[in-house]
Amino acid sequence: GQQLNQSPQSMFIQEGEDVSMNCTSSSIFNTWLWYKQDPGEGPVLLIALYKAGELTSNGRLTAQFGITRKDSFLNISASIPSDVGIYFCAGQERGGSNYKLTFGKGTLLTVNP
Amino acid sequence: AAGVIQSPRHLIKEKRETATLKCYPIPRHDTVYWYQQGPGQDPQFLISFYEKMQSDKGSIPDRFSAQQFSDYHSELNMSSLELGDSALYFCASSQQGSHEQYFGPGTRLTVT
Repeated sequence: GQQLNQSPQSMFIQEGEDVSMNCTSSSIFNTWLWYKQDPGEGPVLLIALYKAGELTSNGRLTAQFGITRKDSFLNISASIPSDVGIYFCAGQERGGSNYKLTFGKGTLLTVNP
Repeated sequence: AAGVIQSPRHLIKEKRETATLKCYPIPRHDTVYWYQQGPGQDPQFLISFYEKMQSDKGSIPDRFSAQQFSDYHSELNMSSLELGDSALYFCASSQQGSHEQYFGPGTRLTVT
């Protein structure tokens, strides 16, 4: 099946810094989604991307759908302590009516106040 | 806004027992997905339903079965539980045709 390579695996930053993480795939995805998960909780949808080259913002978060449809990145600007958590990229394959998600391994973000 | 509801939130079972997990999707969402997340792992797709019909199947063991009911809620039935089944089980819902999946809080299953 599809596999996503997400990097970095973890980041430790100071409050106020910007952070960037990305996902790459060997295959084409139709849609990219970014989620944030707190320990023991369900993933929360942050941003959804539908078109190659699309750049979308949600507050301090910005994400882009790569031109090749095989990658995506997420930027967080001016980080704050509540940004701490695990960020997952997730892709949906092209075609069909099935929208199952394939997840990356996650990026653990720690923000030092 | 209403979210996905899962019950129970925590479940402890012994090996070889059975378990039933329930999922109530967001109102007007007709598609349900089940995912399994092991410790320190990413969520893995198990199975999905649309309008009470199975729409896709992933890495779901034969010991597991699921269904969606007329009110769109779904149940995941797990039999002959093994230690390796200990995980967080998430349900996500969406509207058919929408790519956005919204996750519930999960059920933490512990098999002893």
